[in-house]
Amino acid sequence: EADIYQTPRYLVIGTGKKITLECSQTMGHDKMYWYQQDPGMELHLIHYSYGVNSTEKGDLSSESTVSRIRTEHFPLTLESARPSHTSQYLCASSIQETQYFGPGTRLLVL
Amino acid sequence: QKEVEQNSGPLSVPEGAIASLNCTYSDRGSQSFFWYRQYSGKSPELIMSIYSNGDKEDGRFTAQLNKASQYVSLLIRDSQPSDSATYLCAVIFYNTDKLIFGTGTRLQVFP
Repeated sequence: EADIYQTPRYLVIGTGKKITLECSQTMGHDKMYWYQQDPGMELHLIHYSYGVNSTEKGDLSSESTVSRIRTEHFPLTLESARPSHTSQYLCASSIQETQYFGPGTRLLVL
Repeated sequence: QKEVEQNSGPLSVPEGAIASLNCTYSDRGSQSFFWYRQYSGKSPELIMSIYSNGDKEDGRFTAQLNKASQYVSLLIRDSQPSDSATYLCAVIFYNTDKLIFGTGTRLQVFP
C-alpha cells in the first residue's frame, strides 16, 4: 500500500491567485495521477505522469499544469484561480496497475 | 467510447444482509478490474482487484467477474452501517493503462 500525501488539505483563496497543490509519495511509484471530483460526481483524470520529466493531459480539459522533476513529487499548479476551479483534487500513484489515492485537497475559490 | 456503468442508487439494505453492487463495462478485451470505497468527502480507498473470471474473496467482500458478459460485481456480506459509502467500479481497458471509473453506487446500510 502506498503512502501518499497531499497539502494543503483545504484551501480557500481569492480569484486570480496562483495556487500549487502538493502531492508526494514515498513508495517510489513511477506513475502518478491527478483527478478532479465535484461533490457527488464522478472522478475525472486531469493529468498523469509515467515518470520523471513525463507529463500528459488527462481526459478532462483543465487549466492547471503539472511537473514531475522528482519521482516522489507531482505538484499541480493553477496560475490564476477562478471560482470554476472550486472542486476536490485527488492525487494517486500506482504500482503496476493498482492506484492508491491521497487524502485530497478541497479547493474553494471565492 | 470506453464506458463503465453503475447504478447510482442509493441501494438500501438492512444491517446483516448481503449487499450486491453491479458494474458493466464496454470493452470486451479489458483485463483488470477494481472496486474502491469512497466515504462522503473522503478519497477512494481500494477494496480489491480482480483479473480472472470467477470469484475472489477478501473477508466480507467478494468480487465476481464474468468477462463474457462484461460484468463485475461486489458482494458485501453481513453489511454494517459503517459500510455506507459510495462504491466505485474501475476498469483498465484493453490497450490502455488508464483507469476508467464508473459514477459509483451509493450504499446505505440501516440498523
